Amino acid sequence: EVQLVESGGGFIQPGRSLRLSCSASGFTFGDFAVNWVRQAPGKGLEWLGFIRNRAYGETRDYAASVKGRFIISRDDSSRVAYLQMNSLRTEDTAVYYCTRLSVVTDEGFDIWGQGTMVTVSS
Amino acid sequence: DIVMTQSPDSLAVSLGERATINCKSSQSVLFSSNNKNYIAWYQKKPGQPPKLLIYWASIRESGVPDRFSGSGSGTDFTLTISSLQAEDVAVYYCQQYYTPPYTFGQGTKLEIK
Repeated sequence: EVQLVESGGGFIQPGRSLRLSCSASGFTFGDFAVNWVRQAPGKGLEWLGFIRNRAYGETRDYAASVKGRFIISRDDSSRVAYLQMNSLRTEDTAVYYCTRLSVVTDEGFDIWGQGTMVTVSS
Repeated sequence: DIVMTQSPDSLAVSLGERATINCKSSQSVLFSSNNKNYIAWYQKKPGQPPKLLIYWASIRESGVPDRFSGSGSGTDFTLTISSLQAEDVAVYYCQQYYTPPYTFGQGTKLEIK
């Protein structure tokens, strides 16, 4: 089965760091860019950033709201992508999703994880 | 950044009737080299991840019922549900993936009248 599974969410104090993981199975992980998207309580979807695959230099891009605080990385040998979140703020409280985008076919974000909740509060 | 604006913010439609959601991008998302519009539509239900419905503005994702269709080009796009079913109650988002940041619209909440 093709799937993505996020982990690492939880309750954390403002200013601290947290790393989320996105584990892939059922497909060739190295053929896809990995994107991270979040949804704060009662809000819409917000794209956070992506990392392309090795063939595209593993280049990254980020939303302005998280640039300089969040870092996306990947380990193709382990089929895992990461979202390192630093200097967390209360407004980072959200459900965090990882999702894939084919770098070859560009057919939208077709597979999503179930999401992991991050609560930033003192 | 490309700003995506959906209309309306909410919509109530009777079962079996047509629902239409509009999405406008602040600049063209048509990639000239392949003549494809880099627009996707997603359905979001509470407690579930988003589900891809449409990509390239008009291509239905595998397994999506054919009552869902997408249209438009350049900067103006539409998602149409031809005959609303109870299970279609959700929030619908358009997204451009033409250039990062891959921005989403604010969402349209679809309910049964």
